[in-house]
Amino acid sequence: ILNVEQSPQSLHVQEGDSTNFTCSFPSSNFYALHWYRWETAKSPEALFVMTLNGDEKKKGRISATLNTKEGYSYLYIKGSQPEDSATYLCASHPGNQFYFGTGTSLTVIP
Amino acid sequence: DAEITQSPRHKITETGRQVTLACHQTWNHNNMFWYRQDLGHGLRLIHYSYGVQDTNKGEVSDGYSVSRSNTEDLPLTLESAASSQTSVYFCASSEIAGGTYNEQFFGPGTRLTVL
Repeated sequence: ILNVEQSPQSLHVQEGDSTNFTCSFPSSNFYALHWYRWETAKSPEALFVMTLNGDEKKKGRISATLNTKEGYSYLYIKGSQPEDSATYLCASHPGNQFYFGTGTSLTVIP
Repeated sequence: DAEITQSPRHKITETGRQVTLACHQTWNHNNMFWYRQDLGHGLRLIHYSYGVQDTNKGEVSDGYSVSRSNTEDLPLTLESAASSQTSVYFCASSEIAGGTYNEQFFGPGTRLTVL
């Protein structure tokens, strides 16, 4: 069993604020790190798949970085909007199985 | 459009009954997964399959089984339902490229209550 940890557990920000959260994972036997966005009453949807140390990915106002040597990834949201309210999950698969963190719940207050 | 569907969406059953949850994908992905979602645990892997006739145990496989007779379907069976198996179940599929999994596509989930 792999320990994938996310922090903070929950976050409330004002509309327009920028924010970031962390995913920590064991750095040994690293294959890839996935980020998913999970809105209430929907299914998780992929944001990024990151495989290389130093990788940076961007989709609109959301971006992510990866440090495989120290075992962490950051997700950044610039200028948060109410529609960004969701739970953000990260998952690592050192081999064949995926291990998910428990997520960061983001609420953006209008 | 390709999709992944689950049925039923809601199920109530009694302790000791056998229950099968269906998962069907039209992505033509070789890899399929079953997860359960519980408060405080996030998504935990139950079983996964690399392709037809292949199945593997995940982190929380006790009390569950799967079979893969074709590319599109991976049904999940609870042999003798227990109250501890009350949960929301998600099916997902993915492909592998360059030795790593591509993004997973998730079904809408099945809420199972065992009384």
